[in-house]
Amino acid sequence: AQTVTQSQPEMSVQEAETVTLSCTYDTSENNYYLFWYKQPPSRQMILVIRQEAYKQQNATENRFSVNFQKAAKSFSLKISDSQLGDTAMYFCAFKIETSGSRLTFGEGTQLTVNP
Amino acid sequence: EAGVAQSPRYKIIEKRQSVAFWCNPISGHATLYWYQQILGQGPKLLIQFQNNGVVDDSQLPKDRFSAERLKGVDSTLKIQPAKLEDSAVYLCASSPKTGRNQPQHFGDGTRLSIL
Repeated sequence: AQTVTQSQPEMSVQEAETVTLSCTYDTSENNYYLFWYKQPPSRQMILVIRQEAYKQQNATENRFSVNFQKAAKSFSLKISDSQLGDTAMYFCAFKIETSGSRLTFGEGTQLTVNP
Repeated sequence: EAGVAQSPRYKIIEKRQSVAFWCNPISGHATLYWYQQILGQGPKLLIQFQNNGVVDDSQLPKDRFSAERLKGVDSTLKIQPAKLEDSAVYLCASSPKTGRNQPQHFGDGTRLSIL
């Protein structure tokens, strides 16, 4: 069974600064996908960034980037130039590369960006 | 493109009562998911449909929960009878097709409170 662990229940950062959210996972699979989702108070889960395990290059999306360490089974999210609108719950999620496989989420990290 | 629509937004019922949630996925999306998100936790998959067939319902408490996706479009999730531990946000998501790294698009969820 796959598990996803987010060891930081809460984090805060000053506006315009950089913050890194941690995520580790456990799997015996070799081919899989990793995701970071953002959930603001409106409750809608929004995809922030995704990474294919077979790609060595770390994914980036504007101010968001990941540090994917496959051997360490680590997948951290870096948010640069933090904005007030980044305040939300952030979930790390994992999916193996099999048709019909489920998305497994971590417990989440509440990020607060302070003005 | 219209997003995933869910209703109602909130529902309050007493234990042992019945409740139903509705979801209309993004047009053309073949795969539909129902998640349960208990406060302070990440979403947990309850059931996954591919068109109108069930792909994964291994985590659905079948003694009280049921779901259907007639005609392979919209879906309903029912709880009968409800228990206190069913208090949660119920999220619906859809993706173009199952497998690989197809991103899931989420609705705003239904917050269920059991008295």
